[in-house]
Formats: sequence, structure tokens, C-alpha cells
Amino acid sequence: SQQGEEDPQALSIQEGENATMNCSYKTSINNLQWYRQNSGRGLVHLILIRSNEREKHSGRLRVTLDTSKKSSSLLITASRAADTASYFCATRTTGANNLFFGTGTRLTVIP
Amino acid sequence: NAGVTQTPKFQVLKTGQSMTLQCAQDMNHNSMYWYRQDPGMGLRLIYYSASEGTTDKGEVPNGYNVSRLNKREFSLRLESAAPSQTSVYFCASSEWAATNQPQHFGDGTRLSIL
Repeated sequence: SQQGEEDPQALSIQEGENATMNCSYKTSINNLQWYRQNSGRGLVHLILIRSNEREKHSGRLRVTLDTSKKSSSLLITASRAADTASYFCATRTTGANNLFFGTGTRLTVIP
Repeated sequence: NAGVTQTPKFQVLKTGQSMTLQCAQDMNHNSMYWYRQDPGMGLRLIYYSASEGTTDKGEVPNGYNVSRLNKREFSLRLESAAPSQTSVYFCASSEWAATNQPQHFGDGTRLSIL
């Protein structure tokens, strides 16, 4: 399976702290994407990083990609209670029509 | 903006019954997807349609069929439901499949098979 794995499976932090979650994958990729899923809802796209990029920012989000280690990290700075959700990485290999999703990290931000 | 709409939101079936899950998108996207989400497994692709008139198997297609009715609609059918198909089903769409375009998801159908 090309499915990625997120680490940790669950993370609980205080509001205002930073949250870091990691994703490892198995095959060479074209791009890696991060999605958020609130309880009972569908996934929402957060950010995409291409294989030739090493770091990308979007608001309070910072994503890094290390293709030599086949890993990525998502950093959420100054977390808010509204950031409480599950976060998934998804990879797309070159020429593939579909994404492969990881197993997710459940983030709880305590007010 | 409706985005991706799935119906029904909840359904309980008995083993052996059949049903069709409906999905429609209003973003003029070419590609559509069906996933299932099980605890601890992440999302797994069942079938996808890269463009109108085409469908292809994903990672877990057994026990399912799909129809790309038109550019907007992509349905998933369980011909003879089994308890192992109890899951949350998500439909998604993207502008094109083999690109860097993100996927847009519906809110899911929660299906229980007794």
C-alpha cells in the first residue's frame, strides 16, 4: 500500500501552543497535500506542497517536505480551539489519477 | 455554494439489501471519486471517474459499482450489502484527476449494515 502514516495518532495541546504532526509515505511522489476533517464533516484541503519544494506557508500553517526521508510535517502555530480536528496527509505519485491518504492525527486544542 | 452534495446522510440496511449512494457537484469539475473511511484506516479509494464517461477501480472496489451519470453526478451502488461495508462513504471532486488540483469533499453518508 502507498498509504502514508501520520504521527502522532493523537495530540492534545493548550490554546496558543504550536502543534506539529508528521507524515511518512512509501513511494516517490509528485505532491503531498494536507487536509482537515472536523467531526462529522468531510475533508477540507489545507495546503499542497510539490516534490521540488521544501517548505510552504499558508497563514498559521507551515509544511515541510523531505523527499529523501519520504516525510512531511505540518506545523500549526498559535493554535485555537477551532483547530480541533483530524488532519490527514495525502500523496499523489507522478501520473496517478488518485490520492493516497494517511491514517490521520487527531488534534485537540484545549481552551 | 453547495459544492459536493451527498444523499442520504444516514442509512441502515440489512445484509443482502441493495442501495445507491448519490453524489452531485456544482463546481463544473471533471473528476469525481468515492472513498470509504473506517476507524484507523484513513480514506481508501473505491472508484473514481477521471472524466465524464470513464470510471476506474481504486484500492477497494469489490462489492461496489459506480455510474458517472453526467458531468455533475457520480453514484455508488451496493448490490448486496455486507456487514463489512459498514462505513462512512465520501464523495469528492476535482477539476482534473492527474494534476495538482485539490479534492473537494462532501459531508459523507454514514452506512450501517446489520
